[in-house]
Parts: sequence; C-alpha cells; structure tokens
Amino acid sequence: KNEVEQSPQNLTAQEGEFITINCSYSVGISALHWLQQHPGGGIVSLFMLSSGKKKHGRLIATINIQEKHSSLHITASHPRDSAVYICAVGANTGNQFYFGTGTSLTVIP
Amino acid sequence: NAGVMQNPRHLVRRRGQEARLRCSPMKGHSHVYWYRQLPEEGLKFMVYLQKENIIDESGMPKERFSAEFPKEGPSILRIQQVVRGDSAAYFCASYETLIGTQYFGPGTRLLVL
Repeated sequence: KNEVEQSPQNLTAQEGEFITINCSYSVGISALHWLQQHPGGGIVSLFMLSSGKKKHGRLIATINIQEKHSSLHITASHPRDSAVYICAVGANTGNQFYFGTGTSLTVIP
Repeated sequence: NAGVMQNPRHLVRRRGQEARLRCSPMKGHSHVYWYRQLPEEGLKFMVYLQKENIIDESGMPKERFSAEFPKEGPSILRIQQVVRGDSAAYFCASYETLIGTQYFGPGTRLLVL
C-alpha cells in the first residue's frame, strides 16, 4: 500500500466547474505539499500545508491532520488548469518525501 | 521553478554507458533531493544530500547508482552501466530547510536505447 493515495486518478471537467482532488496519507507528516506538473514539463509547488487551509487565486488547499486527509479545490476551472496534480508528504521521521501517483486533470473549453 | 537548474534536459544513452545528471540548487540552498519518475508512475525518493554529505540514500538502488554534492559545483547523480529500466525522468529539488519547502528543477529525461 502506498503511503499517499490520491483520487480520482483522472478527471475531466467543463470549463467553469468546481474541482476537488483528494489525498489521503498513512504516515506521520511534518507538512503536505500540492504540486502541479504539466505534460512534459517541470513541477511547480502550489501549496505547503501543516494545518488548516490556504488559498491562492482560484486554488484552495485544506488539510485535516486527525483524518490524515487533504483536498485541493479549483474554482472556476480553466483549460490552462489542465495538468497532473500531485500530493506529497514530508514524513515527520527521517528525511523522506512520499508522493501520490497524481491526478490527471483535463478541463474542456 | 526558476533558480533550480538541471542539465542536460534530455539524455540518450545506450545500454552499458554511464549517465551523469547535474543539479544546481537555488542560491543559498545547501540541500538537494533527487527523485525518479518512471513512466506512468509517481515520483520516488532516491537520495537526500547536503553539501559534502549524504544524509539519506535509502531510496537509491544498491548498485550502479551514486550521488554526490561537492562543496563547489552541482550535485551529480551518476548511473553506471545503464539499462533500459533506467529510462525515466529524474528530478532534483532544492530544499529550504527553515521552511521545509522544495523547489523542483525542470528534470532530466533519460532514455536508454
């Protein structure tokens, strides 16, 4: 079993829709990260969370430490949001980061 | 992210050759992580380095792979006698220890023929 599980694996949405991507983890963490990876491209860090909620533009990330769960929301989705979104956690013991397999989002105009 | 440099961006090697991947972290950062992303798979931790010190190499294959981060110059991930299964994207991340944020490089895409 992976330390980080994401759902859904693939997601297609119409432009303007509200999108939610979920992440569950099984290890104790120091922080949780949401990353964005465009096809063939690099990786951009969107958020780092250790509690509560963060907002940046149309993106909102929340984390529930007790339930070991985080969500990434995209409001008013746009085709340029099409990318793979990756949840990653930094373990609170040792130095490792664990990654989910990603959610591939396609937003259709 | 701007500031973290990896080169080459694309590397083609034949089986049995050596691959050297370089990573220059952001200015002022002295820690780097290396990750491997196999096709259709998620990122996997390989090694965590501080300048002149390997902190955690528990994700590195036991043979053929090595990493270093010298006092001067970039961090290098070295793969000897490459095999087709080594074909992947290799990302390094520059690590800001106070905040705990990683800044990813653009990756090196290795193709072994």
